[in-house]
Amino acid sequence: ILNVEQSPQSLHVQEGDSTNFTCSFPSSNFYALHWYRWETAKSPEALFVMTLNGDEKKKGRISATLNTKEGYSYLYIKGSQPEDSATYLCAFIKNGNNRLAFGKGNQVVVIP
Amino acid sequence: DAGVIQSPRHEVTEMGQEVTLRCKPISGHDYLFWYRQTMMRGLELLIYFNNNVPIDDSGMPEDRFSAKMPNASFSTLKIQPSEPRDSAVYFCASRHGDAYGYTFGSGTRLTVV
Repeated sequence: ILNVEQSPQSLHVQEGDSTNFTCSFPSSNFYALHWYRWETAKSPEALFVMTLNGDEKKKGRISATLNTKEGYSYLYIKGSQPEDSATYLCAFIKNGNNRLAFGKGNQVVVIP
Repeated sequence: DAGVIQSPRHEVTEMGQEVTLRCKPISGHDYLFWYRQTMMRGLELLIYFNNNVPIDDSGMPEDRFSAKMPNASFSTLKIQPSEPRDSAVYFCASRHGDAYGYTFGSGTRLTVV
């Protein structure tokens, strides 16, 4: 069982504020880390696929960093908007297989 | 492309009945995954296929669960007999290559009463 932990489990953010949260994963046998955005009543949508230590990815106001040596990734939302309200899932792939192991997500509520 | 298509969207069945969930992956995607989502355990991988061949079914809970992929455009997940603890949302996802994320279907919400 691959242990993927996300913290905090949920957070409320005032509109316009920036926020970030953490995904931690096993640092050995790393292959890739994914971030997904999951809105209520919809299906998860891929945000980033990260493979290299030190990777930084950006999509609009959302960005992510990756540290494979210490086993963590940060997701940042700059200037949060109500449409950013969703659960953000990270998922880890171990080298040698294609099992994408998901964390339980960071639930973000942006308050107008 | 219409994306990953799952059917039905909702299924309510009585305990002991057979349930079949269906998935059509995106054309050209060579990996297909079945996930189950519950409040307690989050998203759990049940089984995945590569080029229609089952590669890892270690996540299938027990013999009551089976999955097939007879061709590149269709997969089924069957539960027989179903039990109330099988109630969950079942997602199908497909992928092409390592550089891209998974594309998920809309899910099937299964309720076993």
